[in-house]
Amino acid sequence: EAGVAQSPRYKIIEKRQSVAFWCNPISGHATLYWYQQILGQGPKLLIQFQNNGVVDDSQLPKDRFSAERLKGVDSTLKIQPAKLEDSAVYLCASSLGLAGHSPLHFGNGTRLTVT
Amino acid sequence: ILNVEQSPQSLHVQEGDSTNFTCSFPSSNFYALHWYRWETAKSPEALFVMTLNGDEKKKGRISATLNTKEGYSYLYIKGSQPEDSATYLCAFVPYGGSQGNLIFGKGTKLSVKP
Repeated sequence: EAGVAQSPRYKIIEKRQSVAFWCNPISGHATLYWYQQILGQGPKLLIQFQNNGVVDDSQLPKDRFSAERLKGVDSTLKIQPAKLEDSAVYLCASSLGLAGHSPLHFGNGTRLTVT
Repeated sequence: ILNVEQSPQSLHVQEGDSTNFTCSFPSSNFYALHWYRWETAKSPEALFVMTLNGDEKKKGRISATLNTKEGYSYLYIKGSQPEDSATYLCAFVPYGGSQGNLIFGKGTKLSVKP
């Protein structure tokens, strides 16, 4: 099966600029996640979708981050405006069921550098 | 605040050595424990999803055990090979909530020298 696709792989922007990341999950996976991994830390959940509905966005900085999953398939994550502390790897993942008992399938991630 | 600790932070071994890592997590509200392997420039890959106290899982030379009562899991690699070089992440899933919020540790970075 095709894996989780993410783009771009790398992005360098200046602070206060905007950036968007795209994710296409594995076909048939209803649950989609965006994780942020800051260097030296473990990945942290930003937002979880079940089909096109938000299940958990409690850790999403909503003043600058937004995400959508139109038609319950592809998803985009946007940062506007970016701050230096947003430099991180942004991982998209999908799972067949809820992640508790189902493994997550990750994309290659987008490495964002904010200067 | 739920905390997941992994040790050691990094490990350097010779090819053929066996090694093990520890993941410590809260012993209450346990729902599941995940292990992932993350090689440089690749995507994290699921190794195991463990759900029952006393679970033991094996995949080739890699195995894992789970003790939910005391809040720890061990990952073992028998006869390490250079291709095992990666960061190994564990993630705790608490009962309740969305069950999508995996609480990840910082990982153990393994380097295997030929």
